[in-house]
Amino acid sequence: DAGVTQSPTHLIKTRGQQVTLRCSPKSGHDTVSWYQQALGQGPQFIFQYYEEEERQRGNFPDRFSGHQFPNYSSELNVNALLLGDSALYLCASSPRDRNVGEQYFGPGTRLTVT
Amino acid sequence: KNQVEQSPQSLIILEGKNCTLQCNYTVSPFSNLRWYKQDTGRGPVSLTIMTFSENTKSNGRYTATLDADTKQSSLHITASQLSDSASYICVVSDRGSTLGRLYFGRGTQLTVWP
Repeated sequence: DAGVTQSPTHLIKTRGQQVTLRCSPKSGHDTVSWYQQALGQGPQFIFQYYEEEERQRGNFPDRFSGHQFPNYSSELNVNALLLGDSALYLCASSPRDRNVGEQYFGPGTRLTVT
Repeated sequence: KNQVEQSPQSLIILEGKNCTLQCNYTVSPFSNLRWYKQDTGRGPVSLTIMTFSENTKSNGRYTATLDADTKQSSLHITASQLSDSASYICVVSDRGSTLGRLYFGRGTQLTVWP
């Protein structure tokens, strides 16, 4: 049973570019949440998707957008990249009918913006 | 304001020694509290999860306690090993459903020396 998977593992982009990160949830999970974790900080909630819609959103600008597909996988898109967007991006999945505290995290995508 | 505060920020101990990490929260309502272990550059891995009615939960050499009255939790690590070197993050959920939010502490960076 595969856990949460994310791709790519590492990514280097230039300021102003756009990036797409991908996440496949754990088998049996239909809810996906995205987090940004700066070095030395705790994860910051970006948004959550289920039933292919954004259900909750943290304090992030519209440059951050997402999508969820019918197979529950998800993408995080960031436009007009800034140096401050450099971080570890974590995806977490959970089954909708269970406690939100039971999220399982993926290994993350390390994004570096130069 | 819902917050999770962890202490100490960092900790160095010798292999074989015990240590205790602290977590104070102001999240309300409270659903559950989870401790995660996060290796550098990797996604967090759950160690324990406790609901309001639980005051102790063990997972091998890790023992978490919860005092819901004082809104404090601790994670005790027994007979530390080099592989315990990681960031330990306290996460509090405010609701027992997917619509709940997770509040993350900044983590305690534990280093175990031989």
